[in-house]
Parts: sequence; C-alpha cells; structure tokens
Amino acid sequence: AQSVAQPEDQVNVAEGNPLTVKCTYSVSGNPYLFWYVQYPNRGLQFLLKYITGDNLVKGSYGFEAEFNKSQTSFHLKKPSALVSDSALYFCAVRGDSGAGSYQLTFGKGTKLSVIP
Amino acid sequence: ETGVTQTPRHLVMGMTNKKSLKCEQHLGHNAMYWYKQSAKKPLELMFVYSLEERVENNSVPSRFSPECPNSSHLFLHLHTLQPEDSALYLCASSQAPGVSYEQYFGPGTRLTVT
Repeated sequence: AQSVAQPEDQVNVAEGNPLTVKCTYSVSGNPYLFWYVQYPNRGLQFLLKYITGDNLVKGSYGFEAEFNKSQTSFHLKKPSALVSDSALYFCAVRGDSGAGSYQLTFGKGTKLSVIP
Repeated sequence: ETGVTQTPRHLVMGMTNKKSLKCEQHLGHNAMYWYKQSAKKPLELMFVYSLEERVENNSVPSRFSPECPNSSHLFLHLHTLQPEDSALYLCASSQAPGVSYEQYFGPGTRLTVT
C-alpha cells in the first residue's frame, strides 16, 4: 500500500520569507511524486513532479521540491513567499510496482497562509 | 484553467433525484478520472477511464454510475444519493493513465444532497 503524510495542517509564513511545506511518503518500488495547489472554489493545479534524475525539481510559480530518498520526503519550497501563494497544497505519490493500479494517493493537504 | 471543464458547478439534489455531472477535456488526453473531495479527507479516486474503457473502479457504491462516450467527455450519473455523498466532485485528465503523467483537474461540482 502507498501513503502520503503531510504533517502540518496549516503553515503560516510572512511575505518575503522562505516557505516549506512538508511531505513524506511510503510506496512499493520507485516513487513518482507530485505537488498540486488548490485555490478556493477551484480544482487542483499541477505544480511539479519528480520522476527520476535530479533530486531538486523546479516547477510553476517559483516553487521547487527536493526529493530525499533516504528520508522518503518530498518537501515543497519557495525562496520568497507571496500573499498570492496562500492556498491548499497537496502532495501525491504513486509507486512503479504493484498490480497495475492507477491510484494516485494524495495527502490530506496543507493550508498555506502568507501574511502581508 | 479551461483545459478541463465541469458542469454544473453547483448542484443541490434530493435523495430520490437523478442527476448527471459532466466533464469535458480539451487537452487531447486519453485518460480521465473522477475524484471525490470531502472536507478534511484526502482525495478519493472513484473511477479511471483509459481510451473510453473503465480501468479502475475503487469500490464505489452503485448509486454512482460513470459513462465515458469518448476520450473527451466523462459523465457521472447520480441516483438515490445519501447526505454523506455531499462533496466536491473533481474530474481530471492525463495524457495516459501511466504513473509518470500528471493529471489536470477541472474546477469541480459542489454537490449537496438534501
């Protein structure tokens, strides 16, 4: 079985400060990891993914994420937070082994609030 | 955000009604998905279609019936729902159902069952 943990329900950060949203995972085989963002009354928007290669992945809107295999983590980061980054962030994972399931497992989400 | 559209955006229905949710993707993708998003719970995958064939059904009650007439359209037919079915229903699509492809989501239909 695969699982995702986002240990923080809410993260508050001052505008201009760096932000980190944490994610740890458990899968069989190699992990495929994704970050999505959801603004109020909107669907989820794809931010970035890790498939293979460099551990630091760059995505949309200045976000990046660092894959750490030994710690089974995939934390989302941004050097300087904007008020417009305030939203709900979801980490998701799928493993490359197992019986052909298309299930992408999502975390419960972390609400990011950027304070002006 | 116009890549995947969903209608209606809001729906209120009684427990004895029959209604349908519609999803359309304009991205040329071959896989489509239905998800249920409830407050304070992770997204729940309901159905997966690949090239109009259902390839995954995650133990969803039969009161939810999906239909995929072509690779661009996906429906979710609803009948005799329960109040606990009230949620945001999200449609998504991806290039293929493989593990490496990201999914693109529609804005969702907010369903309230009274």
